[in-house]
Amino acid sequence: NAGVTQTPKFRILKIGQSMTLQCTQDMNHNYMYWYRQDPGMGLKLIYYSVGAGITDKGEVPNGYNVSRSTTEDFPLRLELAAPSQTSVYFCASSHSGTSGHEQYFGPGTRLTVT
Amino acid sequence: AQSVTQLGSHVSVSEGALVLLRCNYSSSVPPYLFWYVQYPNQGLQLLLKYTSAATLVKGINGFEAEFKKSETSFHLTKPSAHMSDAAEYFCAVSPHNNDMRFGAGTRLTVKP
Repeated sequence: NAGVTQTPKFRILKIGQSMTLQCTQDMNHNYMYWYRQDPGMGLKLIYYSVGAGITDKGEVPNGYNVSRSTTEDFPLRLELAAPSQTSVYFCASSHSGTSGHEQYFGPGTRLTVT
Repeated sequence: AQSVTQLGSHVSVSEGALVLLRCNYSSSVPPYLFWYVQYPNQGLQLLLKYTSAATLVKGINGFEAEFKKSETSFHLTKPSAHMSDAAEYFCAVSPHNNDMRFGAGTRLTVKP
């Protein structure tokens, strides 16, 4: 049981390039999330999904897109990278939307846009 | 809207001393509260959670937290710090599982 896995671990992008951050979970969780973590700011929710085919915006969705074609996978797409998207990105999953169910986090992707 | 405030971005204690990390929340409904720990270059791991079953919640690695509604607080404590406790700690509040709000984090340093 690998939990939540993310690839790549590190990436450097030039301004205007695009990339997809991969996230996979093997716990059969229906809820999945993408966060970004900036120093001194905690985690901010980018997008979340309550199940295959269903996604919704979080607190900071601008400049990102997501899709959820399967229960296991929840990729995050950056179309036109900007320096403001330099951050550490975490994917997480949880069993259901019921309050009190903790989220399980992946190890993160450190992205630098120059 | 629900939110949490962590008092102190950096806390330093000596090994063996009491650890106290402060978290205050705002919530218009009974909240679910969490403490997560993040070790360097890793994701977040759940330390403990409050879901209204008991006000004193025990977590992993000897940590515990007490929910005080009158003070809107959920402070994290550990009686005796260990070097391995050095990490960043996040308090979070969640009225619904798709809306978890994290505090800014407190970095704990443990001195030998």
